[in-house]
Amino acid sequence: DGGITQSPKYLFRKEGQNVTLSCEQNLNHDAMYWYRQDPGQGLRLIYYSQIVNDFQKGDIAEGYSVSREKKESFPLTVTSAQKNPTAFYLCASSTRTDGGTEAFFGQGTRLTVV
Amino acid sequence: AQSVTQLDSQVPVFEEAPVELRCNYSSSVSVYLFWYVQYPNQGLQLLLKYLSGSTLVKGINGFEAEFNKSQTSFHLRKPSVHISDTAEYFCAVSDQGYSTLTFGKGTMLLVSP
Repeated sequence: DGGITQSPKYLFRKEGQNVTLSCEQNLNHDAMYWYRQDPGQGLRLIYYSQIVNDFQKGDIAEGYSVSREKKESFPLTVTSAQKNPTAFYLCASSTRTDGGTEAFFGQGTRLTVV
Repeated sequence: AQSVTQLDSQVPVFEEAPVELRCNYSSSVSVYLFWYVQYPNQGLQLLLKYLSGSTLVKGINGFEAEFNKSQTSFHLRKPSVHISDTAEYFCAVSDQGYSTLTFGKGTMLLVSP
């Protein structure tokens, strides 16, 4: 089945540690995105990529980093510089980079800092 | 810059009653508009989208939305809700020519028997 796979579903991190969230898609989509969701805040864009080896900052990129070495993979690293990393993280992809097409979402990773 | 306002954070409704979830947006350019649904601890699923053409858009699960350019609104409606419609609903906008979405803060639809 085609889709977007995020792993792990739940992740616990100690303060001061970096952690990487995985996102893989087999939809052959060009564009991929990372969003952060907090209760009552909707989704906010962290980073996005429209082509391999290229990515752009979204609205809340500070404390995060990404890579796009392969078309199907777009991992997100939450660094120790992110002051409040506890959140639900959603990865998405879409076929086109000029809008108007549906974004497909993964099932999310819930990150908790302990 | 775009913004999306969902005026109601929660909408309680009884089963089989009609419902309207409100969405207003602001943008200086032409936009595409979307409604997504999220069930607990899951990703988002597209309900419907407006790109161009007819202002009344029909989606999955009996939902529909109407684009009103003069009022910059894109309200979501369903004539008769079911218990299974209990979920959070997000309105989103993207500028034409760009694929990134700007989301509203969401509306929790609570359907009770």
